[in-house]
Amino acid sequence: QVQLVQSGAEVKKPGASVKVSCKASGYTFTSYGISWVRQAPGQGLEWMGWISAYNGNTNYAQKLQGRVTMTTDTSTSTAYMELRSLRSDDTAVYYCARELLGVVPAAMRSFDPWGQGTLVTVSS
Amino acid sequence: QSVLTQPPSVSAAPGQKVTISCSGSSSNIGNNYVSWYQQLPGTAPKLLIYENNKRPSGIPDRFSGSKSGTSATLGITGLQTGDEADYYCGTWDSSLSEVFGGGTKLTVL
Repeated sequence: QVQLVQSGAEVKKPGASVKVSCKASGYTFTSYGISWVRQAPGQGLEWMGWISAYNGNTNYAQKLQGRVTMTTDTSTSTAYMELRSLRSDDTAVYYCARELLGVVPAAMRSFDPWGQGTLVTVSS
Repeated sequence: QSVLTQPPSVSAAPGQKVTISCSGSSSNIGNNYVSWYQQLPGTAPKLLIYENNKRPSGIPDRFSGSKSGTSATLGITGLQTGDEADYYCGTWDSSLSEVFGGGTKLTVL
Protein backbone atom coordinates (compact mmCIF):
# COMPACT_ATOMS: atom_id res chain seq x y z
CA GLN A 1 0.00 0.00 0.00
CA VAL A 2 1.02 3.60 -0.48
CA GLN A 3 2.87 4.78 2.59
CA LEU A 4 4.95 7.73 3.76
CA VAL A 5 7.21 7.16 6.76
CA GLN A 6 8.85 10.17 8.39
CA SER A 7 11.95 10.52 10.54
CA GLY A 8 11.78 10.80 14.31
CA ALA A 9 11.22 13.70 16.67
CA GLU A 10 13.83 16.44 16.94
CA VAL A 11 14.75 18.98 19.59
CA LYS A 12 16.66 22.00 18.35
CA LYS A 13 17.94 25.26 19.78
CA PRO A 14 16.87 28.63 18.36
CA GLY A 15 18.95 29.50 15.31
CA ALA A 16 19.69 25.88 14.42
CA SER A 17 18.46 23.92 11.40
CA VAL A 18 16.39 20.76 11.12
CA LYS A 19 16.02 18.30 8.25
CA VAL A 20 13.04 15.97 8.21
CA SER A 21 12.84 12.97 5.88
CA CYS A 22 9.81 11.30 4.31
CA LYS A 23 10.35 7.86 2.75
CA ALA A 24 7.76 6.78 0.21
CA SER A 25 6.77 3.26 -0.75
CA GLY A 26 4.04 1.49 -2.68
CA TYR A 27 4.00 3.74 -5.76
CA THR A 28 6.21 5.27 -8.46
CA PHE A 29 7.90 8.06 -6.51
CA THR A 30 8.61 10.30 -9.49
CA SER A 31 4.98 10.34 -10.64
CA TYR A 32 3.73 12.47 -7.74
CA GLY A 33 4.58 15.66 -5.92
CA ILE A 34 5.02 15.96 -2.18
CA SER A 35 3.79 18.82 -0.03
CA TRP A 36 4.89 19.67 3.49
CA VAL A 37 2.35 20.88 6.03
CA ARG A 38 2.97 21.82 9.65
CA GLN A 39 0.73 22.09 12.67
CA ALA A 40 1.72 24.08 15.76
CA PRO A 41 0.46 22.73 19.11
CA GLY A 42 -3.30 23.13 19.32
CA GLN A 43 -3.40 25.00 16.02
CA GLY A 44 -4.54 24.37 12.45
CA LEU A 45 -2.74 23.24 9.32
CA GLU A 46 -0.20 25.44 7.56
CA TRP A 47 1.07 24.58 4.07
CA MET A 48 4.83 25.04 3.75
CA GLY A 49 5.47 24.18 0.15
CA TRP A 50 5.57 21.57 -2.60
CA ILE A 51 8.20 19.70 -4.56
CA SER A 52 7.86 17.71 -7.75
CA ALA A 53 9.52 14.33 -7.35
CA TYR A 54 9.76 14.21 -11.14
CA ASN A 55 12.01 17.23 -11.77
CA GLY A 56 12.65 18.83 -8.37
CA ASN A 57 10.63 21.96 -9.09
CA THR A 58 9.54 23.68 -5.89
CA ASN A 59 6.96 26.18 -4.69
CA TYR A 60 7.41 27.54 -1.18
CA ALA A 61 5.01 29.45 1.05
CA GLN A 62 5.95 33.10 0.94
CA LYS A 63 6.43 33.42 4.71
CA LEU A 64 9.06 30.66 4.68
CA GLN A 65 10.96 31.78 1.56
CA GLY A 66 14.67 31.89 2.31
CA ARG A 67 14.43 29.58 5.34
CA VAL A 68 13.07 26.38 3.82
CA THR A 69 14.49 23.98 1.25
CA MET A 70 12.72 20.90 -0.08
CA THR A 71 14.59 18.20 -1.94
CA THR A 72 14.12 14.63 -3.10
CA ASP A 73 16.37 11.61 -3.56
CA THR A 74 14.81 9.48 -6.28
CA SER A 75 17.28 6.64 -5.66
CA THR A 76 15.74 6.07 -2.22
CA SER A 77 12.24 7.49 -2.86
CA THR A 78 12.75 9.97 -0.07
CA ALA A 79 11.70 13.60 0.27
CA TYR A 80 13.40 16.03 2.61
CA MET A 81 12.42 19.32 4.20
CA GLU A 82 15.08 21.51 5.77
CA LEU A 83 14.14 24.56 7.86
CA ARG A 84 16.87 26.96 8.97
CA SER A 85 17.18 29.73 11.55
CA LEU A 86 14.67 27.99 13.78
CA ARG A 87 12.55 30.05 16.16
CA SER A 88 10.30 29.00 19.02
CA ASP A 89 7.22 29.48 16.84
CA ASP A 90 8.54 26.81 14.46
CA THR A 91 7.69 24.24 17.14
CA ALA A 92 5.17 22.03 15.41
CA VAL A 93 4.38 18.63 13.98
CA TYR A 94 5.64 18.52 10.41
CA TYR A 95 3.82 16.32 7.88
CA CYS A 96 4.68 15.25 4.37
CA ALA A 97 1.74 14.45 2.11
CA ARG A 98 1.55 13.03 -1.40
CA GLU A 99 -0.63 14.44 -4.12
CA LEU A 100 -3.67 12.24 -4.63
CA LEU A 101 -3.89 12.47 -8.40
CA GLY A 102 -0.30 12.75 -9.57
CA VAL A 103 0.72 15.45 -12.00
CA VAL A 104 -2.13 17.95 -11.94
CA PRO A 105 -2.32 21.74 -11.76
CA ALA A 106 -1.87 23.16 -8.28
CA ALA A 107 -5.52 24.21 -8.23
CA MET A 108 -6.51 20.55 -8.41
CA ARG A 109 -4.19 19.27 -5.69
CA SER A 110 -5.38 17.30 -2.72
CA PHE A 111 -3.22 15.34 -0.33
CA ASP A 112 -3.37 11.64 0.34
CA PRO A 113 -1.76 9.85 2.03
CA TRP A 114 0.03 11.74 4.79
CA GLY A 115 3.08 10.74 6.76
CA GLN A 116 2.73 10.06 10.47
CA GLY A 117 4.22 13.44 11.39
CA THR A 118 7.49 14.55 12.97
CA LEU A 119 7.49 16.69 16.09
CA VAL A 120 10.11 19.43 15.97
CA THR A 121 10.60 21.27 19.24
CA VAL A 122 12.60 24.49 19.26
CA SER A 123 13.71 25.44 22.74
CA SER A 124 16.73 26.93 24.42
CA GLN B 1 -6.01 34.16 11.10
CA SER B 2 -6.83 31.52 8.48
CA VAL B 3 -7.63 32.51 4.91
CA LEU B 4 -10.62 30.18 4.93
CA THR B 5 -13.25 30.55 7.66
CA GLN B 6 -14.76 27.57 9.44
CA PRO B 7 -16.89 27.42 12.58
CA PRO B 8 -14.70 26.45 15.56
CA SER B 9 -17.06 23.70 16.64
CA VAL B 10 -20.22 21.81 15.74
CA SER B 11 -22.08 19.08 17.56
CA ALA B 12 -24.89 16.64 16.97
CA ALA B 13 -26.26 13.41 18.36
CA PRO B 14 -25.35 9.94 17.09
CA GLY B 15 -27.28 9.06 13.96
CA GLN B 16 -27.97 12.68 13.10
CA LYS B 17 -26.58 14.82 10.29
CA VAL B 18 -24.16 17.72 10.58
CA THR B 19 -22.76 20.23 8.12
CA ILE B 20 -19.50 22.16 8.34
CA SER B 21 -19.08 25.33 6.32
CA CYS B 22 -15.93 26.80 4.78
CA SER B 23 -16.00 30.37 3.52
CA GLY B 24 -13.41 31.94 1.26
CA SER B 25 -13.17 34.34 -1.63
CA SER B 26 -12.81 34.54 -5.39
CA SER B 27 -9.03 34.22 -4.85
CA ASN B 28 -9.39 30.71 -3.52
CA ILE B 29 -12.64 28.74 -3.23
CA GLY B 30 -14.37 30.76 -5.91
CA ASN B 31 -12.01 29.57 -8.63
CA ASN B 32 -10.49 26.33 -7.36
CA TYR B 33 -11.40 22.90 -6.09
CA VAL B 34 -11.96 22.29 -2.38
CA SER B 35 -10.73 19.34 -0.35
CA TRP B 36 -11.78 18.21 3.13
CA TYR B 37 -9.61 16.43 5.69
CA GLN B 38 -10.43 14.60 8.90
CA GLN B 39 -7.93 14.60 11.75
CA LEU B 40 -8.69 12.16 14.54
CA PRO B 41 -7.05 12.99 17.88
CA GLY B 42 -3.31 12.43 17.82
CA THR B 43 -3.19 11.32 14.18
CA ALA B 44 -2.30 12.73 10.79
CA PRO B 45 -4.99 14.29 8.61
CA LYS B 46 -6.88 12.02 6.21
CA LEU B 47 -8.47 13.04 2.93
CA LEU B 48 -12.27 12.78 2.94
CA ILE B 49 -13.33 14.80 -0.11
CA TYR B 50 -11.45 16.11 -3.16
CA GLU B 51 -12.46 18.21 -6.16
CA ASN B 52 -15.40 19.60 -4.15
CA ASN B 53 -17.48 16.45 -3.97
CA LYS B 54 -15.48 13.32 -4.81
CA ARG B 55 -14.68 10.65 -2.24
CA PRO B 56 -11.39 8.72 -2.32
CA SER B 57 -11.61 4.96 -2.28
CA GLY B 58 -12.61 3.69 1.15
CA ILE B 59 -14.43 6.81 2.32
CA PRO B 60 -18.08 5.96 3.10
CA ASP B 61 -20.89 7.81 1.36
CA ARG B 62 -21.96 9.24 4.73
CA PHE B 63 -19.44 11.96 3.88
CA SER B 64 -20.33 14.43 1.13
CA GLY B 65 -19.03 17.73 -0.17
CA SER B 66 -20.48 20.62 -2.10
CA LYS B 67 -19.42 24.06 -3.29
CA SER B 68 -21.34 27.16 -4.22
CA GLY B 69 -19.63 30.39 -5.16
CA THR B 70 -16.98 31.18 -2.56
CA SER B 71 -18.20 28.69 0.06
CA ALA B 72 -18.01 24.96 0.51
CA THR B 73 -19.78 22.54 2.80
CA LEU B 74 -18.94 19.15 4.25
CA GLY B 75 -21.89 16.97 5.22
CA ILE B 76 -21.80 13.95 7.49
CA THR B 77 -24.86 11.76 7.94
CA GLY B 78 -25.47 8.88 10.35
CA LEU B 79 -23.06 10.36 12.88
CA GLN B 80 -20.95 7.92 14.86
CA THR B 81 -18.81 8.50 17.94
CA GLY B 82 -15.82 7.59 15.79
CA ASP B 83 -16.48 10.69 13.68
CA GLU B 84 -15.36 12.93 16.56
CA ALA B 85 -12.41 14.76 15.06
CA ASP B 86 -11.17 18.04 13.67
CA TYR B 87 -12.19 18.77 10.09
CA TYR B 88 -10.28 21.08 7.74
CA CYS B 89 -11.10 22.50 4.33
CA GLY B 90 -8.31 23.33 1.93
CA THR B 91 -7.90 24.87 -1.50
CA TRP B 92 -5.44 26.66 -3.77
CA ASP B 93 -5.13 30.42 -3.50
CA SER B 94 -4.05 32.99 -6.09
CA SER B 95 -1.18 33.91 -3.77
CA LEU B 96 0.37 30.69 -5.10
CA SER B 97 -0.12 28.70 -1.95
CA GLU B 98 -2.41 26.06 -0.56
CA VAL B 99 -4.60 27.46 2.20
CA PHE B 100 -6.59 25.75 4.94
CA GLY B 101 -9.45 26.69 7.18
CA GLY B 102 -8.86 27.01 10.90
CA GLY B 103 -10.53 23.67 11.55
CA THR B 104 -13.84 22.61 13.07
CA LYS B 105 -14.07 20.32 16.06
CA LEU B 106 -16.95 17.88 15.73
CA THR B 107 -18.48 16.56 18.93
CA VAL B 108 -20.91 13.66 18.76
CA LEU B 109 -23.03 14.09 21.86
